[in-house]
Amino acid sequence: AQTVTQSQPEMSVQEAETVTLSCTYDTSENNYYLFWYKQPPSRQMILVIRQEAYKQQNATENRFSVNFQKAAKSFSLKISDSQLGDTAMYFCAFLRGSTLGRLYFGRGTQLTVWP
Amino acid sequence: DTGVSQDPRHKITKRGQNVTFRCDPISEHNRLYWYRQTLGQGPEFLTYFQNEAQLEKSRLLSDRFSAERPKGSFSTLEIQRTEQGDSAMYLCASSLPTGREGYTFGSGTRLTVV
Repeated sequence: AQTVTQSQPEMSVQEAETVTLSCTYDTSENNYYLFWYKQPPSRQMILVIRQEAYKQQNATENRFSVNFQKAAKSFSLKISDSQLGDTAMYFCAFLRGSTLGRLYFGRGTQLTVWP
Repeated sequence: DTGVSQDPRHKITKRGQNVTFRCDPISEHNRLYWYRQTLGQGPEFLTYFQNEAQLEKSRLLSDRFSAERPKGSFSTLEIQRTEQGDSAMYLCASSLPTGREGYTFGSGTRLTVV
C-alpha cells in the first residue's frame, strides 16, 4: 500500500515570509506523480503544483515550489512571500505510475498566515 | 464549462434513511472519483470510474454504499440505511484519462446524520 505522511498538523507564518511544508511517502515504484493540493475554508480543493518522479528538476508555480528528493522519498512545498489568502489546509498526494488509479492523500497541514 | 458540480451542498438526514448525491464532472474528463473527508483528515478514497466502468472500489466501503455512472456522464453515490458514522464531506473529482495531470474537485456535499 502507498502511504503519504505529513508530519506537521499545523504551521503558521507571517505575511511576506517563506514557509516549507513537509511530505514523505512510501512506495516501491520508480514512476509516479506527486501533488500538493490546497483546501481553503470554502472546502474546494485546488491543485497547487505537481511533480513527475522521472523529472529531476523541481516544479515551480509562481510563489510555490517543491523540493523533490526521490531517494529520500521526500516532497516538500515552499511558499514564498506568503499571503493571507494562502491560509488553508494543504494536502500532499501520490499517484502510482503503474496503475494511474486513485490518488493517495496525506492527513494535511493547516497553514495559517498572519498579518 | 463550470467545473465539477455537486448536488446538494448540504444534506441532513435521519439515521436509517437513504440518501443520494449527484456529481457532474468536467465534460472532457472521462475519469470520475468519489472521496470522503472527515474533519481534520485527508480525503479517503471510495471509488472511481472510467467512463461508465467502475474500476476500483475501496475495501473500506460497506455494501450500504453504491455508486453509478450511467452513460459515462454524471455519477450518483447512494448511501442506504445511513449511520451517524457516515457524517462527512463527500467529494467528487474528475480528471483526464490517466489522472496524472491532477484532479479537479467539486465543492463537496456535506452530510449530517442525526
